[in-house]
Amino acid sequence: DAGVTQSPTHLIKTRGQQVTLRCSPKSGHDTVSWYQQALGQGPQFIFQYYEEEERQRGNFPDRFSGHQFPNYSSELNVNALLLGDSALYLCASSSKRDRRGYTFGSGTRLTVV
Amino acid sequence: AQTVTQSQPEMSVQEAETVTLSCTYDTSESDYYLFWYKQPPSRQMILVIRQEAYKQQNATENRFSVNFQKAAKSFSLKISDSQLGDAAMYFCAYRSGSQGGSEKLVFGKGTKLTVNP
Repeated sequence: DAGVTQSPTHLIKTRGQQVTLRCSPKSGHDTVSWYQQALGQGPQFIFQYYEEEERQRGNFPDRFSGHQFPNYSSELNVNALLLGDSALYLCASSSKRDRRGYTFGSGTRLTVV
Repeated sequence: AQTVTQSQPEMSVQEAETVTLSCTYDTSESDYYLFWYKQPPSRQMILVIRQEAYKQQNATENRFSVNFQKAAKSFSLKISDSQLGDAAMYFCAYRSGSQGGSEKLVFGKGTKLTVNP
């Protein structure tokens, strides 16, 4: 049973550029959440997608946007990259029928130079 | 807003010994879930143990157990018979359990656990 798959694993971008990160949820999961983890910190919630709509959003600017596809996979887009966007971006999937927990991917390490 | 505090940035333990990681949280909700996640250098968050707030019995998973003190809003993790593979960052996390409540996980800043041979 495949877990959560994220791509790419590493990425280097220049300030001002745009980036797209991808996530395939665990089989049977219908909800995808994105988290940003700065170095030495705990993950911070960006947003959650369910039924192809953004259902909840954390305290992140509009430069952060996302999408969920009919097969439940998801993308995180960040526009006008800043140096401070450098972080590990984690995707977590879950099922609306089971509210108890999430399965995380291994993340995408984004470096903005 | 809910907050999670881990007051121990780093902890160390000798192999085969027992170590306890601390976590406190703040919430006005009565229905919620608490989690301990392990993050090794591979970066993937791995669920260690989960506790439902309505359950008085402390959760246990093999060598891992929690001490859940709801009134004190405390949720510590005890690792018994520590193994080298237990070395990792450990994060305490909170999630609302209310229908229609927030579904986000709120994490603490983590505790780095070192296991000495």
